Amino acid sequence: SQKIEQNSEALNIQEGKTATLTCNYTNYSPAYLQWYRQDPGRGPVFLLLIRENEKEKRKERLKVTFDTTLKQSLFHITASQPADSATYLCALSAPGRRALTFGSGTRLQVQP
Amino acid sequence: ETGVTQTPRHLVMGMTNKKSLKCEQHLGHNAMYWYKQSAKKPLELMFVYNFKEQTENNSVPSRFSPECPNSSHLFLHLHTLQPEDSALYLCASSQDTSGETITDTQYFGPGTRLTVL
Repeated sequence: SQKIEQNSEALNIQEGKTATLTCNYTNYSPAYLQWYRQDPGRGPVFLLLIRENEKEKRKERLKVTFDTTLKQSLFHITASQPADSATYLCALSAPGRRALTFGSGTRLQVQP
Repeated sequence: ETGVTQTPRHLVMGMTNKKSLKCEQHLGHNAMYWYKQSAKKPLELMFVYNFKEQTENNSVPSRFSPECPNSSHLFLHLHTLQPEDSALYLCASSQDTSGETITDTQYFGPGTRLTVL
């Protein structure tokens, strides 16, 4: 069956460092992958989308990579700030299917 | 805010009650979704509507009944729920850009925190 795994439940880093979050998937051939941010008690907010033919995507301090051979996406936040503390979700869509399937998320805590 | 509103934000109900959750999107999208989010579990897709037509029902128990009267409004009618149905219920919308690959970037509402006693 299709499965999405995100690395560890919580990641603690110091302010100013780069946070790297991992999303691995099995039994998928996604056309694209998305990353969302979710704060406690709120709905997820879209951050970045990367397509299967793209290796890397950047947006301000965010960078996403997509390796369809390894079936893995890495999500980087450079120069991290306490305000970046949140849960980050990756999401995939199976071919021909509208809806997204989400991973369980990685909680990031940036210490000042 | 995201342009997707949900009411109520919090709901406590007994197992014999009937209640409804409401979602409205102000983004002109044509697809709407219901998700369930329980503690320490991934978002679970419940229903998908595209142009008011239900296109996906993810094996959801019949005690959850969705309704989509138009592309801007989505309801989730609840009756005889169980305590394990307590969760955050999230509504989302997306735009099908005709002629391009569907990316379904989703815009979420703030959710309804449901507690079933």
